[in-house]
Amino acid sequence: AQSVAQPEDQVNVAEGNPLTVKCTYSVSGNPYLFWYVQYPNRGLQFLLKYITGDNLVKGSYGFEAEFNKSQTSFHLKKPSALVSDSALYFCAVRDPSFSGGYNKLIFGAGTRLAVHP
Amino acid sequence: EAGVTQFPSHSVIEKGQTVTLRCDPISGHDNLYWYRRVMGKEIKFLLHFVKESKQDESGMPNNRFLAERTGGTYSTLKVQPAELEDSGVYFCASSTPWGDTGELFFGEGSRLTVL
Repeated sequence: AQSVAQPEDQVNVAEGNPLTVKCTYSVSGNPYLFWYVQYPNRGLQFLLKYITGDNLVKGSYGFEAEFNKSQTSFHLKKPSALVSDSALYFCAVRDPSFSGGYNKLIFGAGTRLAVHP
Repeated sequence: EAGVTQFPSHSVIEKGQTVTLRCDPISGHDNLYWYRRVMGKEIKFLLHFVKESKQDESGMPNNRFLAERTGGTYSTLKVQPAELEDSGVYFCASSTPWGDTGELFFGEGSRLTVL
């Protein structure tokens, strides 16, 4: 069965330091991987995705993620954290057997990122 | 352009009562999804509409949940009768009818509290 694991409930980082939010997945075939972010009192917003190609994917707000097939990981990274990055981050995977705009995503439990001044 | 809107933002009801959640997707988005997050756990898929047709309702917990999308525009999710374990945040999302971009546009969610 397809699944996503986010092993950390919360990540704390000082402003200006690099941040990493971890994600591992389990899916048959080639995965379609996503990161979404939820700011307080807002809906989830798309950050970035990996479908194919370069293992390092760049997204919104200076975030990037690295796809590692051998480790089945898709960790989210940012070189220098901002206080405004504090939010809830969700990793997700889509079953590649679906197509035609059908995006049945399987989400992790989320990781709360707290960036301290 | 308006985003996905959901109503109500928060609903508090007694066990056994009925609640109806509404979702207005982005105009032109044929795909509409309902997801739910319970007690800080994973966001779980409930069902998927293409226009007015249910394509996949494999995630619906039981027959106390009924989703409709009459006319292929807005959608409602009714819980009747509500149970304590139904408490959570219900998210609606929509996406364009073409391509495999994978991007879903989410509403802010409807928080349901069943007492």
